[in-house]
Amino acid sequence: DTGVSQDPRHKITKRGQNVTFRCDPISEHNRLYWYRQTLGQGPEFLTYFQNEAQLEKSRLLSDRFSAERPKGSFSTLEIQRTEQGDSAMYLCASSFLGTGSYEQYFGPGTRLTVT
Amino acid sequence: DQQVKQNSPSLSVQEGRISILNCDYTNSMFDYFLWYKKYPAEGPTFLISISSIKDKNEDGRFTVFLNKSAKHLSLHIVPSQPGDSAVYFCAASDYNQGGKLIFGQGTELSVKP
Repeated sequence: DTGVSQDPRHKITKRGQNVTFRCDPISEHNRLYWYRQTLGQGPEFLTYFQNEAQLEKSRLLSDRFSAERPKGSFSTLEIQRTEQGDSAMYLCASSFLGTGSYEQYFGPGTRLTVT
Repeated sequence: DQQVKQNSPSLSVQEGRISILNCDYTNSMFDYFLWYKKYPAEGPTFLISISSIKDKNEDGRFTVFLNKSAKHLSLHIVPSQPGDSAVYFCAASDYNQGGKLIFGQGTELSVKP
């Protein structure tokens, strides 16, 4: 399977704990995006990378959130001191810049529940 | 502000009939539009897209229409099948904004046998 993978699929944590999610994009894709989706809403953009460079961060991404893509391959999203409002589905997507199309391919998501 | 809107939260159609899902946007800088399908507990699956230089794109049972003057796009599914039952999201992108997608709120389609 050469699609986008995310790990873990589900995470339950207590308020105040740190959590880290991983995303492995489609191997030839040079762009990687993180989105967050809450119930009844569409996904909302958080941040994106082109290769290893983080090019944009949304205002939604508070100082407690940090993302990395150290070698331009997989990416991690860390949330420090989690709050109940962080409970959501965290989606990763990848795309290839240069084909003239903007299709992004999504992973299955990580469902975060903060208790 | 909601730049991409799907005003119908749900739609129910009979199997074999046409499903029409609508989407409106406000940002005239958007130059690419996409439709995604989502099942519960899964990530969105890409369906079909259209560039702003076109007004129609067709792929099998799926056709997307773009009306730039009205800032409106629609997805037609013909014929509808029970397996099409899912939540459909439209999304828009501005190349100069890094290709990030701005999503609507989604429309839940139910196709009844």
